[in-house]
Amino acid sequence: AQKVTQAQTEISVVEKEDVTLDCVYETRDTTYYLFWYKQPPSGELVFLIRRNSFDEQNEISGRYSWNFQKSTSSFNFTITASQVVDSAVYFCALRRTRGSTLGRLYFGRGTQLTVWP
Amino acid sequence: DADVTQTPRNRITKTGKRIMLECSQTKGHDRMYWYRQDPGLGLRLIYYSFDVKDINKGEISDGYSVSRQAQAKFSLSLESAIPNQTALYFCASQGLATDTQYFGPGTRLTVL
Repeated sequence: AQKVTQAQTEISVVEKEDVTLDCVYETRDTTYYLFWYKQPPSGELVFLIRRNSFDEQNEISGRYSWNFQKSTSSFNFTITASQVVDSAVYFCALRRTRGSTLGRLYFGRGTQLTVWP
Repeated sequence: DADVTQTPRNRITKTGKRIMLECSQTKGHDRMYWYRQDPGLGLRLIYYSFDVKDINKGEISDGYSVSRQAQAKFSLSLESAIPNQTALYFCASQGLATDTQYFGPGTRLTVL
C-alpha cells in the first residue's frame, strides 16, 4: 500500500526565517513520482514540483528547494527567507507508475504554514 | 482562462437533495479525477476516469456517482446529499504525456 505522511500539522515562523516541511512516503514500487502542491487561503491547489524516483538530485527554484532521499523515503521541502505570501497548506503526494491504481495521487494530510510579518 | 473549471464554486443544499458538480478542462487531457478535501485529512479520491468509457471507483465512492459526458467533461453527483458530505471538492485532469495532475479551483459544498 502507498502512504504519505506529513507529520507536521502546523508550522509558524516569522518572515525571513527558513522553514522545512517534511514528507515521508511508503511504497513497495521501485518507480514512482513525488509531488508538492500548495493550497493558499483562496483554496486552489497549485502544483509546485514533480520528482521521478530515479532522479535523486536536489532541486532549487528561487527560494524553494527540495531534498529527495530514497534511503530515508523522504521528500522534504525548504523555503528560504520565508514571506507572508508563503502562508498556505502544503501537500506532499505520491503517484505510482504501474498497477491497478495507476494515475491516482496519494496525498499526505498537509502542513499548514503560517508566516508572520 | 483557467484550464480546469468547476461549477458551482459554492453550494449550500439540504439533506436528501440531489446535487451535481461539474468539471470541464480545456487541456485535452484523457484522465480526470474527483477528490474530496476535509480539514486535516488531505485529499481523498472519489472517482477517476482514464477515458470516456472508463470509470473507476476511488477510495471513498459510496454515496457518489459520476458521468464522463465527453473527454473534457466529468461530473460528480450526490444522489441524496447528507451532512457528512460537506467538504471541498476538487476536480483534476492529467494527460497521457504528462505526469502531473492539474486541479480546478474547487467547489465548497455545504449540506445542512
